[in-house]
Amino acid sequence: SQTIHQWPATLVQPVGSPLSLECTVEGTSNPNLYWYRQAAGRGLQLLFYSVGIGQISSEVPQNLSASRPQDRQFILSSKKLLLSDSGFYLCAWRDRDPYNSPLHFGNGTRLTVT
Amino acid sequence: GNSVTQMEGPVTLSEEAFLTINCTYTATGYPSLFWYVQYPGEGLQLLLKATKADDKGSNKGFEATYRKETTSFHLEKGSVQVSDSAVYFCALTRKEMEYGNKLVFGAGTILRVKS
Repeated sequence: SQTIHQWPATLVQPVGSPLSLECTVEGTSNPNLYWYRQAAGRGLQLLFYSVGIGQISSEVPQNLSASRPQDRQFILSSKKLLLSDSGFYLCAWRDRDPYNSPLHFGNGTRLTVT
Repeated sequence: GNSVTQMEGPVTLSEEAFLTINCTYTATGYPSLFWYVQYPGEGLQLLLKATKADDKGSNKGFEATYRKETTSFHLEKGSVQVSDSAVYFCALTRKEMEYGNKLVFGAGTILRVKS
């Protein structure tokens, strides 16, 4: 069966420090991968998605970047965190086919920038 | 464009009450529709889905019927439990959607069930 791992679960970082959040998927190949941010425990904002190794699409220009060095690995990074980067970050994957296959989410990382 | 509108929350109910969370969508063609649930401190989980008009998705006592005539996919449960307290998200996707097959999510509805 497929599983998704996301770590760390919680992170407290000072303003200006770098960030690296990692997500890996097991039990599937060639998935589409996604990074979402959830502020105030409600709405989801799609940050990045990837349809293949090295292929990253950005939805919102911001202080963050993403990389996909391996088929089932998706990394969210920042060189210098801002206070506004605080939030709940969710990684997700889905099969490419069929087009309406559901999203599967990780358990999220709670990031607090102080 | 494609969008999903959910009822504002929070929705507060007593245990064993009937639940309805409204969801309407805007999309051309024939989208697939989903309900996701997010329990406190966790990621989202797929609750149910429907892929064509008049389909009924169901899971864990929850149901939703794809109504193309009213562009709606309302979530219902006959008798809620305290353990159903969570945030519920309605979402859609379409075959013609752009690169990446992204889902479009509603803003989420908080459900609180009191014992």
